[in-house]
Amino acid sequence: EAQVTQNPRYLITVTGKKLTVTCSQNMNHEYMSWYRQDPGLGLRQIYYSMNVEVTDKGDVPEGYKVSRKEKRNFPLILESPSPNQTSLYFCASSSAPSGANVLTFGAGSRLTVL
Amino acid sequence: AQSVSQHNHHVILSEAASLELGCNYSYGGTVNLFWYVQYPGQHLQLLLKYFSGDPLVKGIKGFEAEFIKSKFSFNLRKPSVQWSDTAEYFCAVKRYGGSQGNLIFGKGTKLSVKP
Repeated sequence: EAQVTQNPRYLITVTGKKLTVTCSQNMNHEYMSWYRQDPGLGLRQIYYSMNVEVTDKGDVPEGYKVSRKEKRNFPLILESPSPNQTSLYFCASSSAPSGANVLTFGAGSRLTVL
Repeated sequence: AQSVSQHNHHVILSEAASLELGCNYSYGGTVNLFWYVQYPGQHLQLLLKYFSGDPLVKGIKGFEAEFIKSKFSFNLRKPSVQWSDTAEYFCAVKRYGGSQGNLIFGKGTKLSVKP
């Protein structure tokens, strides 16, 4: 089944403890992206990647890192999480970076930073 | 700056009522337009999209949307809503030819349908 898989789905952590949210897609998509969803703010893009070793900042990149060493994986790294990073995170992928392509979303990862 | 505006934060309807959710965007060039739906506790799914051609597009579950270029609008409609349509709806706009880095989402409209 074609899908985007995120882990963990739920995580409670403490300020400053590094964490990684993994994202993997099995559709051979070139494009991958991370969004955070907060009440009243909709989805805001954190980082995106148009291909292996190609990443770029979205609208709210502060406090996050990403890497794209393999086509299928696009982990989101929080080096020193803070409470304002408590949010619902979605990974998404698309078949090509240019043109009008539909995003396939993962199920979401709910992160709480105490 | 490019933006997407969804006029209603929360809409409450009774079953069988008609629905129209507004979406306006600020970019003046060629765009691709999307509506995504997020059912409670689930991830976003595509409802419908407009790339080119007939400005009236039909999506899944009886939804449709009309692209009006002169008004920079892409409103979502459904003639008769059902309780199962309770969800949050997001409009998204992408500049034609740009990377998906330019896909911008509205803040969402929460739809509650009373049985």
